[in-house]
Amino acid sequence: GQQLNQSPQSMFIQEGEDVSMNCTSSSIFNTWLWYKQDPGEGPVLLIALYKAGELTSNGRLTAQFGITRKDSFLNISASIPSDVGIYFCAGQGETSGSRLTFGEGTQLTVNP
Amino acid sequence: DAGVIQSPRHEVTEMGQEVTLRCKPISGHNSLFWYRQTMMRGLELLIYFNNNVPIDDSGMPEDRFSAKMPNASFSTLKIQPSEPRDSAVYFCASSLLVSSEQFFGPGTRLTVL
Repeated sequence: GQQLNQSPQSMFIQEGEDVSMNCTSSSIFNTWLWYKQDPGEGPVLLIALYKAGELTSNGRLTAQFGITRKDSFLNISASIPSDVGIYFCAGQGETSGSRLTFGEGTQLTVNP
Repeated sequence: DAGVIQSPRHEVTEMGQEVTLRCKPISGHNSLFWYRQTMMRGLELLIYFNNNVPIDDSGMPEDRFSAKMPNASFSTLKIQPSEPRDSAVYFCASSLLVSSEQFFGPGTRLTVL
């Protein structure tokens, strides 16, 4: 089946620093999604990507759909304490129907 | 607008008891997904419905788990009998059939003693 490798597993940064995390897939995806999960809450959709090479921003967040369609990255610029949480990538493959495959998550800690 | 609604938010029960988790998807969404999240296994898709019809239940762990969607605005996930290893956070998500974007509820934290 499809597998997603997300890295890094965790990051500890200072407020104001930029952050980058990425996901790679063993197979081609048609859609990449990035979610953030706060403690005790469900994942919240941050950015959706639909085309290879697509670069999309949402405030301080920027995500790109890799040209090979097997990878995606998420950048957070000028991090702030409320960026703390777990970030998940998710992809939808050509033969997966409505099913999403999720990465293992990146735990982000921002020190003020 | 109301998002996905789940109840209860927390459930503590004893092994062997029946547990029913409830979900109301976003109005107008015609796909509904049940996930389980644990530290060990991350987010796992259990089952999903399109237009109230179960499409893929390959993620349902075993016969103790069942899910229904009697109408477009309500779904249940039932565990009978429950076991301690079922302890996890269970999420419901919904989307438009033509969209990949799934919107998650706040989850139900289940503890089976």
